[in-house]
Amino acid sequence: QKEVEQNSGPLSVPEGAIASLNCTYSDRVSQSFFWYRQYSGKSPELIMSIYSNGDKEDGRFTAQLNKASQYVSLLIRDSQPSDSATYLCAVKTGYIPTFGRGTSLIVHP
Amino acid sequence: DVKVTQSSRYLVKRTGEKVFLECVQDMDHENMFWYRQDPGLGLRLIYFSYDVKMKEKGDIPEGYSVSREKKERFSLILESASTNQTSMYLCASSATSANEQFFGPGTRLTVL
Repeated sequence: QKEVEQNSGPLSVPEGAIASLNCTYSDRVSQSFFWYRQYSGKSPELIMSIYSNGDKEDGRFTAQLNKASQYVSLLIRDSQPSDSATYLCAVKTGYIPTFGRGTSLIVHP
Repeated sequence: DVKVTQSSRYLVKRTGEKVFLECVQDMDHENMFWYRQDPGLGLRLIYFSYDVKMKEKGDIPEGYSVSREKKERFSLILESASTNQTSMYLCASSATSANEQFFGPGTRLTVL
């Protein structure tokens, strides 16, 4: 059974701070890793994809992958209230991704 | 931009009705997926399709069927709707097995 674990939160950070979201996975042969943002009542929206060990930066977002330790993280710099949402981690081997249940992030002014 | 559309944002049906949920993507993606999402349970895969007329069961296929007659369209069918099928239904597509999924806006189905 493939598992993807996320802390459900909520993670509360002040505006302007760095938010750090973490995800661990069980399947060692996983090859593709994704972070989605989901606002309440809306569908998931892709933020980042990462395929190799190390960091990948896109604007205020940085995804970090460590395959040896089987974790992937998302850093959000200069957090804004508009970043308040649930963040889903997805790990893929083959056709089907396995999603975590998401971490709720609250950015307070 | 990838666009995935779903036929309805909100739908209310009666117990026992046959329900069709339609999903269309415009990026020539091979793979299409149907999920339901419920509070505390996360995303659960109902069915997926990796090619026209091909379908595979996901984790919770009971009470559902699917149809993929054309590459761009993937339909989810509830043969006889029940109240426990009240949920948010999400369609997604991806280009290849490795690539990210893109989601439609979702259909919030209520079965009375």
